[in-house]
Amino acid sequence: SQQGEEDPQALSIQEGENATMNCSYKTSINNLQWYRQNSGRGLVHLILIRSNEREKHSGRLRVTLDTSKKSSSLLITASRAADTASYFCATVAGGGTYKYIFGTGTRLKVLA
Amino acid sequence: NAGVTQTPKFQVLKTGQSMTLQCAQDMNHNSMYWYRQDPGMGLRLIYYSASEGTTDKGEVPNGYNVSRLNKREFSLRLESAAPSQTSVYFCASSYLSDSPLHFGNGTRLTVT
Repeated sequence: SQQGEEDPQALSIQEGENATMNCSYKTSINNLQWYRQNSGRGLVHLILIRSNEREKHSGRLRVTLDTSKKSSSLLITASRAADTASYFCATVAGGGTYKYIFGTGTRLKVLA
Repeated sequence: NAGVTQTPKFQVLKTGQSMTLQCAQDMNHNSMYWYRQDPGMGLRLIYYSASEGTTDKGEVPNGYNVSRLNKREFSLRLESAAPSQTSVYFCASSYLSDSPLHFGNGTRLTVT
């Protein structure tokens, strides 16, 4: 069964606006990762946040993690048409489980 | 630097036919994974190999077999294809059990 659930399922914004996507999960984690998938391509890793971190930045990306609420958010600032893609969160339980559990994704469309 | 390479990119099978999906990585990663992606389902883990010489079942292993041929290569075999196995298959690799995943560009399989 899926552990991560993204919200919203789809998001359409104008270029230059900020995009926020949320991820909820069910069990304890070692880290949480965000990936981007362009149409017809494989997933590309964006950012990793560990369970003892609350916020992390990478370029125009900002990720927060609230382990008490079992949720994370991905903020893309000053969005561009090239950011149009599907975004997935993946939770990693750690302990050598090797099982990355992916959510169903948020489809982001940035209009030029 | 090729990263993760999957072959073939597309395949059409008739019910009952067999085939092997090939995957190779050139990043000296220890762990390799096979996922399937279906609309609205996110990615689901079929099998993984924590290290050369080991394989383990994931979330949806029925109908599949795998072989970790060496550190670089991890193949997925469908012995008797069924329409329910129509999907996009992704191979991925990681250095450690909780490191970012690196994905290939997928194999689009249709079983008629």
